Amino acid sequence: SQQGEEDPQALSIQEGENATMNCSYKTSINNLQWYRQNSGRGLVHLILIRSNEREKHSGRLRVTLDTSKKSSSLLITASRAADTASYFCATGGFQGAQKLVFGQGTRLTINP
Amino acid sequence: DTAVSQTPKYLVTQMGNDKSIKCEQNLGHDTMYWYKQDSKKFLKIMFSYNNKELIINETVPNRFSPKSPDKAHLNLHINSLELGDSAVYFCASSQGWGEKLFFGSGTQLSVL
Repeated sequence: SQQGEEDPQALSIQEGENATMNCSYKTSINNLQWYRQNSGRGLVHLILIRSNEREKHSGRLRVTLDTSKKSSSLLITASRAADTASYFCATGGFQGAQKLVFGQGTRLTINP
Repeated sequence: DTAVSQTPKYLVTQMGNDKSIKCEQNLGHDTMYWYKQDSKKFLKIMFSYNNKELIINETVPNRFSPKSPDKAHLNLHINSLELGDSAVYFCASSQGWGEKLFFGSGTQLSVL
């Protein structure tokens, strides 16, 4: 079964607005990662947050992690048309298995 | 220079044929992976190699056989292709277990 589940499955906003995507998972993790996938391309790593961290920033990206609720969120501020992509969360190191397990992704559309 | 490169980008073939996908990384990583992304965008791990040794072998039909001639290369050979094998196959590498992945641009496999 999938470990991470993103919510919403699709999100459409106006350029300049903030976009928030959520990820829930089921079991203990060592880290959680967010990736972006543009149409027809491979996934690109955005941020890795470890289980002992609560928040992390990278440019216009902010990731939070709540291990008590087994959830994470990705916030993109001041969105741009170029942010249009699918965003995936991936959980690592759960149940002793050293592999990343991906959710189904959130399709984000930024309207100009 | 492309960090993780895989060829071919597109592969169209008939049912029953045998095909191979090649992957090379120039990042000096010890760990390489094959992921399969289906039409609903689910990304699922198939295999993982660490220093040419098979570490993860998910529930994949034995028609799929990975081969790692050295730690910079991980190829995927598929025998007796079936319609259900149609998907995008991604190669990836990482410095260590559970760390961020670097993805290739994917191979779109279409079985007719």
